[in-house]
Amino acid sequence: NAGVMQNPRHLVRRRGQEARLRCSPMKGHSHVYWYRQLPEEGLKFMVYLQKENIIDESGMPKERFSAEFPKEGPSILRIQQVVRGDSAAYFCASSPGTPVGSYEQYFGPGTRLTVT
Amino acid sequence: AQTVTQSQPEMSVQEAETVTLSCTYDTSESDYYLFWYKQPPSRQMILVIRQEAYKQQNATENRFSVNFQKAAKSFSLKISDSQLGDAAMYFCAYRGGSQGNLIFGKGTKLSVKP
Repeated sequence: NAGVMQNPRHLVRRRGQEARLRCSPMKGHSHVYWYRQLPEEGLKFMVYLQKENIIDESGMPKERFSAEFPKEGPSILRIQQVVRGDSAAYFCASSPGTPVGSYEQYFGPGTRLTVT
Repeated sequence: AQTVTQSQPEMSVQEAETVTLSCTYDTSESDYYLFWYKQPPSRQMILVIRQEAYKQQNATENRFSVNFQKAAKSFSLKISDSQLGDAAMYFCAYRGGSQGNLIFGKGTKLSVKP
């Protein structure tokens, strides 16, 4: 059973370009979470999605950031017009169902975004 | 809002010894879950142990155990018989009973000396 997949593992973008980060949840998981980890910091929640629905985007910056989890295919975190402050590791996690109960979140290996 | 605090930025332990990592949290909820995650240099987040707030018994997973003090809102991790492979960042995390997202502390960097 493959784990959570993220690609690319490393992404370099110049300021002003767009970054697209992909996440394929574990088989059977319908819930996806995106977190951002700045250097020397813990992970900060960004957005929680189910298939075709954004459940909670309270941690998402209001501008330039968007996320989707279509009916088919991976979840996408999109950052438009990247700036140097967007440089971070972006982690995706998935869980099997509703957050009721102690459902663990299983993490992918992360995408390290570097903005030059 | 819920917060998680890890007051030890770095800790060190001798191989085969025992070390305790501290974590405190703040919440007004009665139903919640607590987790410890390990992040080795590979950056992969690995779940070490979890604790349901409604359970009085402290969780144990092999060499890892927790001391869960609900009234004090404290959730420390004890690693027994430390091994070189335990060297990593350790993050304490909280999730409310009806919430989806995890709230993480800033982490403790654990070094293991041979």
